[in-house]
Amino acid sequence: GAVVSQHPSRVICKSGTSVKIECRSLDFQATTMFWYRQFPKKSLMLMATSNEGSKATYEQGVEKDKFLINHASLTLSTLTVTSAHPEDSSFYICSAQPRDITDTQYFGPGTRLTVL
Amino acid sequence: LAKTTQPISMDSYEGQEVNITCSHNNIATNDYITWYQQFPSQGPRFIIQGYKTKVTNEVASLFIPADRKSSTLSLPRVSLSDTAVYYCLVGDMGGATNKLIFGTGTLLAVQP
Repeated sequence: GAVVSQHPSRVICKSGTSVKIECRSLDFQATTMFWYRQFPKKSLMLMATSNEGSKATYEQGVEKDKFLINHASLTLSTLTVTSAHPEDSSFYICSAQPRDITDTQYFGPGTRLTVL
Repeated sequence: LAKTTQPISMDSYEGQEVNITCSHNNIATNDYITWYQQFPSQGPRFIIQGYKTKVTNEVASLFIPADRKSSTLSLPRVSLSDTAVYYCLVGDMGGATNKLIFGTGTLLAVQP
């Protein structure tokens, strides 16, 4: 149980295009999901907190207009990187907090984004 | 959110017990201590969580002293497959601010 998936697992796109990454909780409902970014040999950096049915809360320094987050259902949150540039290339990871077990987060496998 | 401090890296050999200590001097009353393991190009995997004293599961033990200003993750008899980055996190998981802030983590290298 408690499986979180991400799609796609890796994506390569051209500079200036937008890329959507999906995060799904497969066997539980998640009122809250989190999005992280991780650069090579660095730690995870929290980007935003996504709550079902409401606007995401972004961490300081994260551009909300560039990283669009939608949490339309209790099992799906999406992160859209708009007008991607090479510096956006990174490993994007989501986590989901179960609706009824609020002291635990389960992480997805991550999405490798490469912007050419 | 309490900041955590861990050793950047540790080396060990197969079969040894490994103890990774994390400092969290500013831990709050409602904060839990959680440890995650991460392999390259994968998402973090939950290892263990505790509030005080000792917690043990099938893969690790977590020791937390009475003042809760530090914690130690103990991995019994490590194998090569335990080579990974281990993160110690502190947060009020069940509260309004339940986000996790990752520190540098500890890169554990297990050698044969």
